[in-house]
Amino acid sequence: QSALTQPASVSGSPGQSIIISCTGTSSDIGTHNLVSWYQQHPGKTPKPIIYEVTKRPSGVSYRFSGSKSGNTASLTISGLQAEDEADYYCCSYADGSTVVFGGGTKLTVL
Amino acid sequence: EVQLVESGGGLVQPGGSLRLSCEASGFTFDDYAMNWVRQTPGKGLEWVSGISWNSRYIGYADSVKGRFTISRDNAKNSLYLQMNSLRPEDTALYYCAKDSSSSSWHFLDCWGQGTLVTVSS
Repeated sequence: QSALTQPASVSGSPGQSIIISCTGTSSDIGTHNLVSWYQQHPGKTPKPIIYEVTKRPSGVSYRFSGSKSGNTASLTISGLQAEDEADYYCCSYADGSTVVFGGGTKLTVL
Repeated sequence: EVQLVESGGGLVQPGGSLRLSCEASGFTFDDYAMNWVRQTPGKGLEWVSGISWNSRYIGYADSVKGRFTISRDNAKNSLYLQMNSLRPEDTALYYCAKDSSSSSWHFLDCWGQGTLVTVSS
């Protein structure tokens, strides 16, 4: 059960688009279309923003989108806003009926 | 409104035990799988354990297998985590999280506020 690999940090200016990658293996992301993403502001509870690779929960902005290719999933945030500054975690169902998270990516809006 | 309220955290010595509880409201508890997830202060998230709606299916992270036991009481709308043989590396904020599925765990669509567990002598 190795953690998924995310960049420690990414940054972008307001209005720009950024992509956060999440690399796993054939035992998790590569096999299961059960990738989710969570946004966490400092001192707050994680908020789900993407599930089943591409789906957005009700109330989540269309500016958040997800995708997957092979063993790598990606979260794209378009039209970056100051309120998007937060930590982002990817998550995948994995073989053996377990769940694995990424190490988290800190997004800074310049 | 879905609410998950954890309790039972605290300070415990290495080798000790704690039992965490999570009281759920605002949804039909026995329709959904439930999870425990922990977060080390200042660090990332780690899935700890999951349990299906009827307790038939249970999963654990390797890091806690054999030491932690998840359970639920649907009559009381409650989820539990019995933690034995605690280690300093188990120190974390423990979240209770509802799953979108009934029999598996892959999308944690609602989270509690967490209860802090500190393992230290």
